[in-house]
Amino acid sequence: DAGVTQSPTHLIKTRGQQVTLRCSPKSGHDTVSWYQQALGQGPQFIFQYYEEEERQRGNFPDRFSGHQFPNYSSELNVNALLLGDSALYLCASSPLPGKNTEAFFGQGTRLTVV
Amino acid sequence: DAKTTQPNSMESNEEEPVHLPCNHSTISGTDYIHWYRQLPSQGPEYVIHGLTSNVNNRMASLAIAEDRKSSTLILHRATLRDAAVYYCILRDAGSNYKLTFGKGTLLTVNP
Repeated sequence: DAGVTQSPTHLIKTRGQQVTLRCSPKSGHDTVSWYQQALGQGPQFIFQYYEEEERQRGNFPDRFSGHQFPNYSSELNVNALLLGDSALYLCASSPLPGKNTEAFFGQGTRLTVV
Repeated sequence: DAKTTQPNSMESNEEEPVHLPCNHSTISGTDYIHWYRQLPSQGPEYVIHGLTSNVNNRMASLAIAEDRKSSTLILHRATLRDAAVYYCILRDAGSNYKLTFGKGTLLTVNP
């Protein structure tokens, strides 16, 4: 079982550009969540996808958008990048929403905005 | 989401038990107590969770106070690989997997 896989592992972008990050959930999981982790802070919830729809959203601007595909993989898109968007972006997958079980995290994508 | 309070850092010696405390005085009756840890350069990893009773698994034990206003994660024999940031999180039973992380406790394990 490959677990949660994210790509790319590292990325450098310029202010104002757009970026797309990708996530493949653990086998058997259909719910994907995205988190942003700034240096020295805990991860902050961005949004969650289930059945190809955004189900929950954290306190992030509309520049952050996502998508879930029929195979449950997901993308996180960030438009008009700001220096403050530099962070580790984590994807987490879980089985069936509403069940109080563990979330599995990927190793993250380190985004640097210059 | 209910808030938790953890010490910023703790230190332990290898092969000794470690007790990581968490205060959650505003916990509601439907909140589960979850613990995750994050090793350097990795994503968070689930450790354990419980509601009212103490819980054990292969990684750790979770001791929950009778009034549920505090809990303690117990690592029975710390190893160097247990050095990580440990997060105590409250999740409502109906939550769709949103996890609200604080800053956690940085655990240092000395050889």
